[in-house]
Amino acid sequence: NAGVTQTPKFRVLKTGQSMTLLCAQDMNHEYMYWYRQDPGMGLRLIHYSVGEGTTAKGEVPDGYNVSRLKKQNFLLGLESAAPSQTSVYFCASSWPGQGGSTEAFFGQGTRLTVV
Amino acid sequence: AQKVTQAQTEISVVEKEDVTLDCVYETRDTTYYLFWYKQPPSGELVFLIRRNSFDEQNEISGRYSWNFQKSTSSFNFTITASQVVDSAVYFCALSEWDFGNEKLTFGTGTRLTIIP
Repeated sequence: NAGVTQTPKFRVLKTGQSMTLLCAQDMNHEYMYWYRQDPGMGLRLIHYSVGEGTTAKGEVPDGYNVSRLKKQNFLLGLESAAPSQTSVYFCASSWPGQGGSTEAFFGQGTRLTVV
Repeated sequence: AQKVTQAQTEISVVEKEDVTLDCVYETRDTTYYLFWYKQPPSGELVFLIRRNSFDEQNEISGRYSWNFQKSTSSFNFTITASQVVDSAVYFCALSEWDFGNEKLTFGTGTRLTIIP
């Protein structure tokens, strides 16, 4: 009964370091999303994917890259971390559904601090 | 472009009072979906409701009710007889098609505090 699993849950990076956040879902969902949550800003969409092998930019894509090589996994990469990328990151997945999207299921979040 | 506005940043009410959380959206699409999510202090995001643009019927689920009005582009959420467990951040979200892709956009959230 895993749902959406994010790895890691916490991470501290130094400025300039790189890392990859992994999101895995076991619900056979087509759509996957990466959001960041900052105080007073709500959830902002970074990148999303509507299927295996496809990705698209969201509202705040700069400084991030993503890949969806397998349907169940959606990776978020930070090539050169900056303090402005300190945030809580959420992954989500959803099924297109008949006539439109169903609700998105969220992972538990990854708290990233860049020092 | 789509936009979701939750003008109420924070609300505090005394337990057992009713409270309404406002959500106003902007979209050029005729087909879209609206959602409400709850984020309790533990941090996870919990789905509450999904409503499509063709269904303007109000919905009630226990102490929760939702009022969808296309004429004013609003999808408001009311909690009746509030309880301390209702304390959380509540997000309204809009899903629509964007150049063949579907994406979900969230409002900035309303932090609701229920005072015992």
